[in-house]
Order: sequence, then structure tokens, then C-alpha cells
Amino acid sequence: NAGVTQTPKFQVLKTGQSMTLQCAQDMNHEYMSWYRQDPGMGLRLIHYSVGAGITDQGEVPNGYNVSRSTTEDFPLRLLSAAPSQTSVYFCASTLGGRNTEAFFGQGTRLTVV
Amino acid sequence: ILNVEQSPQSLHVQEGDSTNFTCSFPSSNFYALHWYRWETAKSPEALFVMTLNGDEKKKGRISATLNTKEGYSYLYIKGSQPEDSATYLCAFDEDNYGQNFVFGPGTRLSVLP
Repeated sequence: NAGVTQTPKFQVLKTGQSMTLQCAQDMNHEYMSWYRQDPGMGLRLIHYSVGAGITDQGEVPNGYNVSRSTTEDFPLRLLSAAPSQTSVYFCASTLGGRNTEAFFGQGTRLTVV
Repeated sequence: ILNVEQSPQSLHVQEGDSTNFTCSFPSSNFYALHWYRWETAKSPEALFVMTLNGDEKKKGRISATLNTKEGYSYLYIKGSQPEDSATYLCAFDEDNYGQNFVFGPGTRLSVLP
């Protein structure tokens, strides 16, 4: 059982380039989220989805797009990378419900130069 | 934006010491409080999901308590071991839709042999 799979693990982009971070889960979880982690700060929510076809913004959505065409996949797109988007990105999924935990991917370390 | 605080920011203890950390969160609109253990270069893994005021949960040498009326949770580690070295994150869940967690900045624990 793979759980939550994120790719790539590392990426270096030039300012202005675009890219997509991939996230897939095989646990049939309805809820999926993207977070970024910056030094000295907690994980901050970028976008989330409560099911296929439904997405919404989190705390720090600017510069990012998401879509959820299937239950399994939740890609995060950087439209025009900026140095401020240098961060570690985590995808997470949950089954939903009050007593359910979040499962995280391995993270993507992104550097924008 | 909700504020979730954790203290201390970092902690160094000797092997065999017992230690505890604090997570403070808003006392209104409480739905659940999560604790995660995050080792370097790995993804966060759930320790506890706590939902009821007065909850106490235990997993091996690690335990946690919850006070929703005053908005805090304690995580205890008894007889710390070097393998306990990690960052411990708490996450506040204020609603039952989308599971949009607000994470604290974490407590980084180093256990010296």
C-alpha cells in the first residue's frame, strides 16, 4: 500500500517557469490538501479538496492552482515561479471525520532561483 | 487566521529524561486536535487525534492530554530515547468540512545519548 505519493522530491526552477507537483493517494480518501513548510513556521494550507471536482483556497493560495479530476490525484501547479515560493511542499489526504488522521507524502523541496 | 502556538521551540534532553511540550489553540469552534511526529527527511506521521475535553491518549512512552475549555494540549515523553528526536507538530481542526488543519510551528526535540 503506497499511501500518499509525491513527485518530484527535489526541483530547482528559474523565476517565471511553471511546473506541476504531483500527488496521488491509493487509500480512497475524499479529502486532499497541499501545504508549504517554511523555516520557523508551521505547515500552511495552500489549497484543499473535499472530493473530485471540488477545490478551495487555503491560507496562502496566491501563485498556485489546483484541480481534482479524480479521487486519487491532486496536482499543484505553480503558474510563474517566484523566489518566495522556495519551500518544502507536502500533500496530505484524510478519510474525513472527526477521528481520522492525515497521511502525508514525502515532500517536495522546491528552490526558485 | 487562527493562531496555534507551541512551546518550547526546541528542546535538548539527555537519554532517559522525561519531557513535555505544550500546544495552545483557540478554545472556540473546537473540532479536533492532532499531534504529529516529524523526523528529518521524512513525512509527518500521526501520533494522536484528540476530540473530547479531558481526553488522554497513550502510545508506548508517549502520551497526550487535552483541555478544550482553556485551549491547550500537552504531549509527554517518558524516558526519552535518541530515536525520539524529531519535530512534534500539533494541528487544530476547527470544522468538520475539509479538515483544514492549522499547524503550530512545532517543537524540535533532540535526545542526547
